[in-house]
Amino acid sequence: DADVTQTPRNRITKTGKRIMLECSQTKGHDRMYWYRQDPGLGLRLIYYSFDVKDINKGEISDGYSVSRQAQAKFSLSLESAIPNQTALYFCATSVAGGRYEQFFGPGTRLTVL
Amino acid sequence: QQQVKQSPQSLIVQKGGISIINCAYENTAFDYFPWYQQFPGKGPALLIAIRPDVSEKKEGRFTISFNKSAKQFSLHIMDSQPGDSATYFCAASKSLTGGGNKLTFGTGTQLKVEL
Repeated sequence: DADVTQTPRNRITKTGKRIMLECSQTKGHDRMYWYRQDPGLGLRLIYYSFDVKDINKGEISDGYSVSRQAQAKFSLSLESAIPNQTALYFCATSVAGGRYEQFFGPGTRLTVL
Repeated sequence: QQQVKQSPQSLIVQKGGISIINCAYENTAFDYFPWYQQFPGKGPALLIAIRPDVSEKKEGRFTISFNKSAKQFSLHIMDSQPGDSATYFCAASKSLTGGGNKLTFGTGTQLKVEL
């Protein structure tokens, strides 16, 4: 089945460490997105990408960077992790003409101590 | 600044009852209003969506009611079942130049349907 996968699924790290979260998809979608989910705040957009040459900031990009290595791969990096980046992180994809549907991966639970 | 406000934060409904979740938005530039359902340990998945020129959309037991003048919309789950227990997010979608969409999510409602 065409799918969106995220690795790792769980990660515990320490303040100041660099960490990368990876997303791969077999849906053939051009658009990819990174969100973080926090209790009581819903999902907030960190970055999104139209294709390998296009990266756009979302509403909460500070402290994060991304890399679109290929159409199917979109990575999120925390250059120097801090405790308030502890959250559930989701990758999502959509077709170019999609009006409202995004397809989400299973999430990565990140804890920064 | 929360552009899409959602209530209640949590909801407990008896099996067979009606679950109602409400959302309000501020930006009139949104062009679709989807609802996403999330089960524990999973990512959100699209449940149902409505355009702003339609007042109601029904799919099975799920209905969206939309009030454009009040900038409010709601999800009604009829005959609620224990399998409907999940977190529900309303969202507002804005089409992006070049294709794709940008979703602004509400804060989520944790629904529990009791036997």
